[in-house]
This record gives sequence, structure tokens and C-alpha cells, in this order.
Amino acid sequence: AQSVAQPEDQVNVAEGNPLTVKCTYSVSGNPYLFWYVQYPNRGLQFLLKYITGDNLVKGSYGFEAEFNKSQTSFHLKKPSALVSDSALYFCAVRDALSGGYNKLIFGAGTRLAVHP
Amino acid sequence: DAGITQSPRYKITETGRQVTLMCHQTWSHSYMFWYRQDLGHGLRLIYYSAAADITDKGEVPDGYVVSRSKTENFPLTLESATRSQTSVYFCASSGVAGAQETQYFGPGTRLLVL
Repeated sequence: AQSVAQPEDQVNVAEGNPLTVKCTYSVSGNPYLFWYVQYPNRGLQFLLKYITGDNLVKGSYGFEAEFNKSQTSFHLKKPSALVSDSALYFCAVRDALSGGYNKLIFGAGTRLAVHP
Repeated sequence: DAGITQSPRYKITETGRQVTLMCHQTWSHSYMFWYRQDLGHGLRLIYYSAAADITDKGEVPDGYVVSRSKTENFPLTLESATRSQTSVYFCASSGVAGAQETQYFGPGTRLLVL
């Protein structure tokens, strides 16, 4: 079965430190992977995606993600965390069985808390 | 140019009532989606649509109905609301089909069924 796992419900980081939010996936064929961020009482905002090519993908707000095919992972990273990065982060993978649709399968989300 | 909007943003209703959540996008995107967000479940797909008059069920369609008479609108109706439908509902849209296409989300509707 296709799935996305975000093994940590919450990640706590001190401001200025590097952060990592983990994501692993299970999907048939080549994976198409996405990261979204959700601030309180807001919709999901697109951060970045991996389709093909370079395993390190750069996105909005200084975030990047590293695709690792052998480990079926797509971890979100940032070199220096800001308090304003505190939010809920979702990893998603395109449903390989969705045909012409671009249906996504989402992880349960990881809450990032950046402390001053 | 608002992109994708949802209305109402907040709604309180009673069990058994019919409720319609509206979604409107200004990008002329072909594909539109409805999700619900619940603690511990992430986002789950309710219904999706490839174009006007083309809709299909997602992961959790029971108790919901959709229509799409115009490309820009994709209303979601709860025919007879139940407490289990208390949730935050998100509408999303994306352009022409392709694995690289990104879904863009509306601000959400927070629904409470009493």
C-alpha cells in the first residue's frame, strides 16, 4: 500500500540551530514528493517538491529537502531555524495509481517548535 | 486576484442539517480537490474533480456530495451533518495533469456539528 510516514509528532529546535523534519514514503514507481507548511488557522502553503534530478531540492523560506531513494526518505531541512518557522509541516507523495489526476497522499504532519 | 477562496471560514450547525461549503479559484485550474483535516489523520481526500461535470470519490466520501457546473467552483455539501463531520475542510486546485503539478490550497473552513 502507498503511504507516507512522518515519525515525529513534534520536533523542538532552538533558534539558530539546524532543523530536520523526517519523512519516509512507500509508493510504486518513481516518487513525486512534496512538502507543505501550515501556520495556525491557515491553509497549507507549498514549500518544495521533488520530481526528478538533483537529490537536494531548494524551496521557499530557506528550506531544502533531501531525496534518498535507497532509504525512501525525503527529509526537510533548514540550516538555521527561526521562531517564525514554528508551524505544522506535511509531507506528501503523489498517488501513483491516480492516473491523470494528481492525487496526493499526506503524512499525519509534524509540529515544529522553534524556541528563542 | 485571490487565487483560491473558501466560504464560510467558520460554520456551526446542528446534526441533521444540510451544509454547503464553497470553493472558488481564479486560476482556471482543471483539477480541484476537497480534503478534511483531523488530528492524527493528516489530510484525507473526500472528492476530486478533473473538470466541470467530472467528479470522483476519494478516500472518505460517505455523507458528502459535490458538484462542479463551472470550472472555477467546487462546492461540497454535507447532506445531513453528523458530529463525526466536525473537522477543518480544505479545498485545493492544480493545473493540467502531470506528476509535477502542485496543488494549491484555500484557507480552510472550520466546521462544528453540534
